Amino acid sequence: SQTIHQWPATLVQPVGSPLSLECTVEGTSNPNLYWYRQAAGRGLQLLFYSVGIGQISSEVPQNLSASRPQDRQFILSSKKLLLSDSGFYLCAWSVQWGFEEAGELFFGEGSRLTVL
Amino acid sequence: LAKTTQPISMDSYEGQEVNITCSHNNIATNDYITWYQQFPSQGPRFIIQGYKTKVTNEVASLFIPADRKSSTLSLPRVSLSDTAVYYCLVGPGGGSQGNLIFGKGTKLSVKP
Repeated sequence: SQTIHQWPATLVQPVGSPLSLECTVEGTSNPNLYWYRQAAGRGLQLLFYSVGIGQISSEVPQNLSASRPQDRQFILSSKKLLLSDSGFYLCAWSVQWGFEEAGELFFGEGSRLTVL
Repeated sequence: LAKTTQPISMDSYEGQEVNITCSHNNIATNDYITWYQQFPSQGPRFIIQGYKTKVTNEVASLFIPADRKSSTLSLPRVSLSDTAVYYCLVGPGGGSQGNLIFGKGTKLSVKP
């Protein structure tokens, strides 16, 4: 069966410090991968998605970046965190779907980031 | 990309049927409609997906009119554990891969 893990689960970082959140999917090959962010009391904001190794699409220009060094690994990074980067970060994956369906997203446990 | 509009919040009582409507006026021909449920501090969970007419599974029904410009998630006989945020998501099928953008969701509160 497929599983998705992301870590760390909780992170408290000072403003201006770097960030690295990691997500790994097991039990599937060539998944679509996604990073979402949810600020307190807000909806889900799509940050990045990837349809293959080294292929990253950004939805929102900001001080975050994403990388996909391996097929089932997705990393979210920042060189200098801002207060506004605080939130609940969710990694998700989906299969690359066919012509008579649309993908179902499977989410990780989430990483709660607090920037002080 | 098709944007979605949902009510911000809804209240219900245990045992009632709840219908949450989502508007997606500019839905594309190859877009599918998917609903997710999210509890606090958890990732969303898939509920149901459809393209047109009616779809039913063990937890919900999804009604989609012929013009597909809206959809209604129906939860039969809700319980307290159905208190959550419900998201309507419109995204490409038909072999297209890409971004899946959530709307702001509907916060459902079920009262005893």
